[in-house]
Amino acid sequence: KNEVEQSPQNLTAQEGEFITINCSYSVGISALHWLQQHPGGGIVSLFMLSSGKKKHGRLIATINIQEKHSSLHITASHPRDSAVYICAVAMYSGGGADGLTFGKGTHLIIQP
Amino acid sequence: DTGVSQDPRHKITKRGQNVTFRCDPISEHNRLYWYRQTLGQGPEFLTYFQNEAQLEKSRLLSDRFSAERPKGSFSTLEIQRTEQGDSAMYLCASSRYGELFFGEGSRLTVL
Repeated sequence: KNEVEQSPQNLTAQEGEFITINCSYSVGISALHWLQQHPGGGIVSLFMLSSGKKKHGRLIATINIQEKHSSLHITASHPRDSAVYICAVAMYSGGGADGLTFGKGTHLIIQP
Repeated sequence: DTGVSQDPRHKITKRGQNVTFRCDPISEHNRLYWYRQTLGQGPEFLTYFQNEAQLEKSRLLSDRFSAERPKGSFSTLEIQRTEQGDSAMYLCASSRYGELFFGEGSRLTVL
């Protein structure tokens, strides 16, 4: 069983729609990352969260530590938002930064 | 360009050959990570350096894999006696205060 589960795996929506991508994890974490990966491989870090909520432009990320759940929201979606969105968690080890454990990603397509 | 750079971007090799990938992190970043990603999957952690010290290695990193970061700056990932199953994208990332910055990756194809 993957320790980081994302849903949905694939999402196709129309331009302008409000998008929600969910991430659940099963262990204690020190931080959760949302990443964006475009075709060709490049990965960009969108957010790093340990509690609460962060907003950057049309992107909002929330995390509920008690429920071990995070969501990534995109408002007023645009075709350029089409990408794979990956949730990754840093497991809490008490000994410094661990390597991240990644979800399989959500493949988002925004149609004009 | 002051981002994370990886070289080569694409390597095609025959089974049994050795390959080496290089990662140049952002200059003030003390942490450097290597990940592997296969098609349709999320990246998998391979190993992590803090400065020149290799602090953690995944069980995915078999004896054929070795990584170094000799002066705490650039890092190399070497794969010896490559196998077809090693075909993947090898990603490097660096960080200083937790936020990760990724390189474009080095894609390995083993024939």
